[in-house]
Amino acid sequence: GQQLNQSPQSMFIQEGEDVSMNCTSSSIFNTWLWYKQDPGEGPVLLIALYKAGELTSNGRLTAQFGITRKDSFLNISASIPSDVGIYFCAGGGNKLVFGAGTILRVKS
Amino acid sequence: ETGVTQTPRHLVMGMTNKKSLKCEQHLGHNAMYWYKQSAKKPLELMFVYSLEERVENNSVPSRFSPECPNSSHLFLHLHTLQPEDSALYLCASSPRGNGGLGGTDTQYFGPGTRLTVL
Repeated sequence: GQQLNQSPQSMFIQEGEDVSMNCTSSSIFNTWLWYKQDPGEGPVLLIALYKAGELTSNGRLTAQFGITRKDSFLNISASIPSDVGIYFCAGGGNKLVFGAGTILRVKS
Repeated sequence: ETGVTQTPRHLVMGMTNKKSLKCEQHLGHNAMYWYKQSAKKPLELMFVYSLEERVENNSVPSRFSPECPNSSHLFLHLHTLQPEDSALYLCASSPRGNGGLGGTDTQYFGPGTRLTVL
C-alpha cells in the first residue's frame, strides 16, 4: 500500500532557529496536508496544498507540494517554544495516508 | 477548537465491557472518519462515512462497530476489546464527502478519546 517516509523522526530546536522537515513517497498524491499535534489533543491542520509546485505560507510556516507529487516539505522560521509538538504530513490520494510524525523538542 | 468534539476524552474499560465513543461535528461537513493512533505508528484509518453511508474498510475487527445516524454525529461501539486496542481514537470530518475514502478532502480532527483496555 501507499507509505510516507517522514524525516527527521525527531529534532531539537533552539529558540530562533529555522526548522525543516519533509515527507517522501514512491506514490503520487493529489493533495498534501501538514498537521501539528500537541499532547492529549488531536491533530490541527496547519497548511493544505492542492497543486504540484504550490508554495503556501501560514505565518512562520511554509510548505511546498513537490513537483513530482511524491514529496512535500514544511519549514518553520524563527522557532519559538510553543512550536514543540508532533508534526504530521499526510498525502491525499484514494485515502489520506499519514507519515509517522516528526517530534519537535526544545534544547535545554 | 476545530469544530469537532469527542466524548468521552478518556475511557478505561475491561475486556468484557461494552462502551461507545461519540463524535459530533459543527462544520456542516458531509464526511466523517474514525482513526486509531497508537504510539510510534502512523494514524490508521478505520471507517469512513460519506453522506451518511459507510464506505467499507475491511481491515477493522468486528469488535469495533461504527454508527452514523446523521451527517453531524458518528459513534464507535466497542465490545470485547483486547488490551492491544488501547490507543487514541480520533474522529475527523471533511467538507465534500465524495463517496470515496476522503483522500483529496481536507480533514479536521477532534481532540480524541484516550482508550485503555484492561
